[in-house]
Amino acid sequence: AQTVTQSQPEMSVQEAETVTLSCTYDTSESDYYLFWYKQPPSRQMILVIRQEAYKQQNATENRFSVNFQKAAKSFSLKISDSQLGDAAMYFCAYSSYSGNTPLVFGKGTRLSVIA
Amino acid sequence: GAVVSQHPSRVICKSGTSVKIECRSLDFQATTMFWYRQFPKQSLMLMATSNEGSKATYEQGVEKDKFLINHASLTLSTLTVTSAHPEDSSFYICSARVEAGLNTEAFFGQGTRLTVV
Repeated sequence: AQTVTQSQPEMSVQEAETVTLSCTYDTSESDYYLFWYKQPPSRQMILVIRQEAYKQQNATENRFSVNFQKAAKSFSLKISDSQLGDAAMYFCAYSSYSGNTPLVFGKGTRLSVIA
Repeated sequence: GAVVSQHPSRVICKSGTSVKIECRSLDFQATTMFWYRQFPKQSLMLMATSNEGSKATYEQGVEKDKFLINHASLTLSTLTVTSAHPEDSSFYICSARVEAGLNTEAFFGQGTRLTVV
């Protein structure tokens, strides 16, 4: 079974600075997807960024980028120019290649942004 | 993007009663939906996979008689918490994935905060 590990329960960053959230995973599959989801106080799950394992290029979405190291099974999220609205729980998630499987979530990292 | 609507967002019920939570995919068909439970300050724990037209698949440790799942159409799955007790109080979230093409993003409902008194 696949597992996802987020080793940082809490992180904080100064507004406008950069922060990196760590995520490692374990799988025997060669094709899969990795995600970062944000859960603000409203508790609505919001997709931040997605990475297909077969793609070597790291995904980027505006201020959000990932460092995907397939051999090391590492998938970290970098948030640049942090904003107060970035404060939330961040979950790293794994999915098998099939579209009908559930996501496997890490335990989450609570990010605080300091003004 | 695709929309998943979950209702109610909050519900308070008396111990021993049943509560039904609905999860609808508004602009796509979902043959499979997923139900998660989230305790405070914890991650999402998969409870069951809901399959349209067939029985749900429950994760180990989840009581299927306590958490009844029905997926009667391609756009609606329901979770019924039967004979609710205070320990069933939690945040429940449904999810569905768009299965066509390369878009495998999982879309989530708004969640339901259940309080059993």
